[in-house]
Amino acid sequence: NAGVTQTPKFRILKIGQSMTLQCAQDMNHNYMYWYRQDPGMGLKLIYYSVGAGITDKGEVPNGYNVSRSTTEDFPLRLELAAPSQTSVYFCATRGGADTQYFGPGTRLTVL
Amino acid sequence: QKEVEQNSGPLSVPEGAIASLNCTYSDRGSQSFFWYRQYSGKSPELIMSIYSNGDKEDGRFTAQLNKASQYVSLLIRDSQPSDSATYLCAVIQSYQKVTFGIGTKLQVIP
Repeated sequence: NAGVTQTPKFRILKIGQSMTLQCAQDMNHNYMYWYRQDPGMGLKLIYYSVGAGITDKGEVPNGYNVSRSTTEDFPLRLELAAPSQTSVYFCATRGGADTQYFGPGTRLTVL
Repeated sequence: QKEVEQNSGPLSVPEGAIASLNCTYSDRGSQSFFWYRQYSGKSPELIMSIYSNGDKEDGRFTAQLNKASQYVSLLIRDSQPSDSATYLCAVIQSYQKVTFGIGTKLQVIP
């Protein structure tokens, strides 16, 4: 089992460009989350999903969009990249006993 | 008031000592509490979970929960240099919402 996978691992964007961060899981978990982590800071929730077709905003959703067409995939879309979106992005699922399982992260730099 | 508060540290302890990490939360309805360890440049991994008042032990780790005081802590006995990491406190405040603290950086000095 791969668990939670994220692609790409690293990306540099120019201001105004768009991109999609991919997240996939093979654990059949209904709950999935997107977090961002800025240097020296904790995890901030961007969006979450409680199942296919159902998504909701977290603490810092501005500038991002998500979709959840399948249980396995939960992509995060950045439409107009800004320097403030430079961060490390983690995707996570939530399974039994409410434990969260994190992907390896995507390090994004916007210049 | 932040929903989940932790001292960012760094907390420095000598090898072999007990490290004590603390976390307070604001939502009295919170039911589930977690400690995650995060090494530099890596993703968080679960260390302990606790759901009821009292202590829960797992090897060198002990989680303590006091819902009346809205306080959860993590004790690491016989601290090792490999324990040096950032420890994140997480609280489930509603069925879907998981809130993380800022994390406490622990340094174990050989």
